[in-house]
Formats: sequence, structure tokens, C-alpha cells
Amino acid sequence: AQSVAQPEDQVNVAEGNPLTVKCTYSVSGNPYLFWYVQYPNRGLQFLLKYITGDNLVKGSYGFEAEFNKSQTSFHLKKPSALVSDSALYFCAVSPPAGYQKVTFGIGTKLQVIP
Amino acid sequence: GAVVSQHPSWVICKSGTSVKIECRSLDFQATTMFWYRQFPKQSLMLMATSNEGSKATYEQGVEKDKFLINHASLTLSTLTVTSAHPEDSSFYICSARAGAETQYFGPGTRLLVL
Repeated sequence: AQSVAQPEDQVNVAEGNPLTVKCTYSVSGNPYLFWYVQYPNRGLQFLLKYITGDNLVKGSYGFEAEFNKSQTSFHLKKPSALVSDSALYFCAVSPPAGYQKVTFGIGTKLQVIP
Repeated sequence: GAVVSQHPSWVICKSGTSVKIECRSLDFQATTMFWYRQFPKQSLMLMATSNEGSKATYEQGVEKDKFLINHASLTLSTLTVTSAHPEDSSFYICSARAGAETQYFGPGTRLLVL
């Protein structure tokens, strides 16, 4: 069975500093990996995905994530945090090939401090 | 592109009544839509997978007679909470799959049953 772990309930970072939100996964075969962001009382917004190819994936709003197969990780990063980045971030994984069920992590709250 | 809408965004109803939530893919056709439930400070719980023109596939523990799902067209899926009770109060989020792997989410519907 596939699973996703987001080991940090909350990440605090000062505005302008780099941020990292951690994600590790477990799935058979090469994974499809996703990051979503959720603002209060809103649905999830798609940020980026890794399907194949370059391990460094660039997404919306200046976010990027690095696929590390040996560490089974897909950490979300941004070089310079904005206060408006404060939100709930979800990592998700599905098995390779399309049309598969996606499993979401429990979410990490990112708080960017002015 | 890949915009998903939900209606209503908020609904308050009396115990025992039924509530219908609509999920629409606005700029793409979605053969598969998903319904999730999210409890405060928790991840998304997949309730069911809705396939256009066929019966929905419910996750274990989700009552199909209570949560009726209809996916009558490639752009519309509906979730009806029948005989709603206070314990059904929650945040319901739908998503639509564009292509083989990426889900795009609606803004969510907050249901409060009095």
C-alpha cells in the first residue's frame, strides 16, 4: 500500500528566508508525486508534480520540489518565503501509470513570519 | 485552465434534510471526479470516486445510501447528503482529474447541520 509522511505539523520561517516542507513516500515502482496548497476555507490548489524526467520540478508561485529516489523524498522548497505563502501544504503520491488512486499526506502548516 | 467549481460554498440545514453539492469542471472534461471530506486539522479523506456514466466507487466505511453521487456528464458530479445529521457537518471538497494523473480541486463546501 502507498503512503505519504509529512513529518512536521508546522514549519515556521522568517519572511525572505528559504523554506523547506518535507515529504517522504512509500509506493511500489516509480511514483507520481504532487504538492498542493490549501488556504483557509478553500480547496486545494495544485502547485507541481513529478512524473518522470528531471528530479527538480518547478511549479507555481516560485515553488520547486526535488525528487530523491534513494531517500524516497519529495521536499517542497522556495528560495525566499513570502507572508502570503502561509498556508497548509499537502504532499501526495500515486503509483506509476495514470488513473491511479492518490494518497495525501496529513499536511504541514507553513507560517511565514514578517 | 483546469478550473473546478463547487456550489454552494456554504450550506446550513436542519437535521433530517438532504443537501446537494455540485462539482463542475469549467474548462475541461473529466471522466473521473472525486469527493473528499476534510475534518479540522486533518488530511483529506477520500469518500468516493465518481465515473461519468457509471456508479460511483465508495471507500470502505462510507455509506453509499447516505452519500449519493451522480456523475451525469463529463463536467458535472453531484453529492447528495441524505437525511443529514450534525455529525455530517464537515468540509466537502471535490476534484476532477485532468488527463491521467493530476487532480484539480474545487473550493470546497462547508456544511453545517443543525
